[in-house]
Amino acid sequence: DTAVSQTPKYLVTQMGNDKSIKCEQNLGHDTMYWYKQDSKKFLKIMFSYNNKELIINETVPNRFSPKSPDKAHLNLHINSLELGDSAVYFCASSQDYSEQFFGPGTRLTVL
Amino acid sequence: DQQVKQNSPSLSVQEGRISILNCDYTNSMFDYFLWYKKYPAEGPTFLISISSIKDKNEDGRFTVFLNKSAKHLSLHIVPSQPGDSAVYFCAARTINTGTASKLTFGTGTRLQVTL
Repeated sequence: DTAVSQTPKYLVTQMGNDKSIKCEQNLGHDTMYWYKQDSKKFLKIMFSYNNKELIINETVPNRFSPKSPDKAHLNLHINSLELGDSAVYFCASSQDYSEQFFGPGTRLTVL
Repeated sequence: DQQVKQNSPSLSVQEGRISILNCDYTNSMFDYFLWYKKYPAEGPTFLISISSIKDKNEDGRFTVFLNKSAKHLSLHIVPSQPGDSAVYFCAARTINTGTASKLTFGTGTRLQVTL
């Protein structure tokens, strides 16, 4: 059983399109996160939700909108995709502030 | 402003020898430090951690040392095995509101364990 899963694994799209990445965790954790790993391999936090409530928002452009329908899911919707959005996006979860468990990542390529 | 730095992008070690991966940080507010291991096309996997009030934590072949005065930590793997070949990320934690933590990652060190 996959603890933290993401779909799709790869996403190739044109500039200006809108796309979503889905994340689900079956660990029973209360907190979920989105991280972005850019071309320089920096892994940076974008958002964190606890029980469907936004806790952390790291100055991410408004084009990025996380949505948490329940505490096991945290989806990431991106509007008007730009070339600079190309990266690997990782979802993670934790029980409060304990160790975070990461999903396999979604490689987004914007052409 | 890179608060967590891993200055060695790569390291090659012979099987059976000790691997030492280093990490430096600048923010004194970090309360916990973690090491994650990452294989290609997979997400980072938690390996070992250490609280800022300790100077050593050991788990099997893995030991993490923390030198707070130098703002430096290191991960020792002994003996190194070919399956240890991966990218290792150092991460430092700050707690937000008690319900979430923010991890600040280094850029990783690629470890290759050769036969």
